[in-house]
Amino acid sequence: DTGVSQDPRHKITKRGQNVTFRCDPISEHNRLYWYRQTLGQGPEFLTYFQNEAQLEKSRLLSDRFSAERPKGSFSTLEIQRTEQGDSAMYLCASSLGDRGHSNQPQHFGDGTRLSIL
Amino acid sequence: AQSVTQLGSHVSVSEGALVLLRCNYSSSVPPYLFWYVQYPNQGLQLLLKYTTGATLVKGINGFEAEFKKSETSFHLTKPSAHMSDAAEYFCAVSRTKTSYDKVIFGPGTSLSVIP
Repeated sequence: DTGVSQDPRHKITKRGQNVTFRCDPISEHNRLYWYRQTLGQGPEFLTYFQNEAQLEKSRLLSDRFSAERPKGSFSTLEIQRTEQGDSAMYLCASSLGDRGHSNQPQHFGDGTRLSIL
Repeated sequence: AQSVTQLGSHVSVSEGALVLLRCNYSSSVPPYLFWYVQYPNQGLQLLLKYTTGATLVKGINGFEAEFKKSETSFHLTKPSAHMSDAAEYFCAVSRTKTSYDKVIFGPGTSLSVIP
């Protein structure tokens, strides 16, 4: 079990630039989640994939944000035209499950810390 | 809608003392409840979870939590604090019997352990 891997760990960029983060889930996990965590707060749900299908997006996910999971394995989260308020830790998690199954705990990666200058 | 509140954004205990971190939830359906721990610059690690059945749940690192439906609480305890327990702790809730498991996190409690 290599765990959930996120890349990069840290990203510093100027306001207005585009950034892309990658998440590699635990290999057998079909569910993948993105969360955003600001300082002193708990993670906030952004979006969720089951296999390659994006099944829910939070209202926090503005049209500048887009997430993909093209082959049902790794996922990318892109932020276009970054703003100061986008500075946060972006966490990826994965879990194993299917419709009707009881909730399986999510395994988290170490996150990508984004700083907007 | 579901929500989680954690009483006390910061808790400080002496090494060897009892740890008690409070969590109350709101849910219109029977909840699944979790406690996660986060060390600096790391992701979240699951400590324990309650789904159904026994209301006293034992987790890793000597932690346990008790689900009390009448009080809508899921407080986390550890009999004797260790220096390595210093971290941020998050209580979380999700819905049961749904097609996926969106998790709602509380704001977190920072635990300090004094030597």
